[in-house]
Amino acid sequence: EPEVTQTPSHQVTQMGQEVILRCVPISNHLYFYWYRQILGQKVEFLVSFYNNEISEKSEIFDDQFSVERPDGSNFTLKIRSTKLEDSAMYFCASQPITDFNIQYFGAGTRLSVL
Amino acid sequence: AQRVTQPEKLLSVFKGAPVELKCNYSYSGSPELFWYVQYSRQRLQLLLRHISRESIKGFTADLNKGETSFHLKKPFAQEEDSAMYYCAFRGSTLGRLYFGRGTQLTVWP
Repeated sequence: EPEVTQTPSHQVTQMGQEVILRCVPISNHLYFYWYRQILGQKVEFLVSFYNNEISEKSEIFDDQFSVERPDGSNFTLKIRSTKLEDSAMYFCASQPITDFNIQYFGAGTRLSVL
Repeated sequence: AQRVTQPEKLLSVFKGAPVELKCNYSYSGSPELFWYVQYSRQRLQLLLRHISRESIKGFTADLNKGETSFHLKKPFAQEEDSAMYYCAFRGSTLGRLYFGRGTQLTVWP
């Protein structure tokens, strides 16, 4: 069964550094999402992406964040200058345009900012 | 404000006992409701959606618009049901999901 793939599974970085989290959505899906979950808190929406542009973003998704689909398969989330409070599990999700249009989640990338 | 409330952070039952995981939502429109499950060290996966009106792994959930609830129920819990359960909704087909904080269900032998 096709899956959303996220790499790396764990990323450790120093405060102020840039990080890029990578996602490979399921191949025939056209809608992509990033969510994050700070330890002990809810899963929170960051951004959705369709047709090479942002469809919706939350108040969390400020100028430090950006998303890109650099080729036909990858979907990336970049954090320009990481802060301690960016430490969280980041989930990518993708969704097809079919009758069964649900979001399928990746296993997540745990980001630790030191 | 859009919100999902799962009042129980932890829930423990014995095998064979009934289980009910509570979920209430706050949304002004007509949301689409979901239950996602996360087994240990696995990804979030869809368990149920209200429009399907189906039973998955013995679980059912009924949308009660009057009480704005979507509680998850199973008459006889199994040990393999132990997992984190998240209630979520979205306001449109392509929209963001709003998640509750999750309920960790433990089923004891």
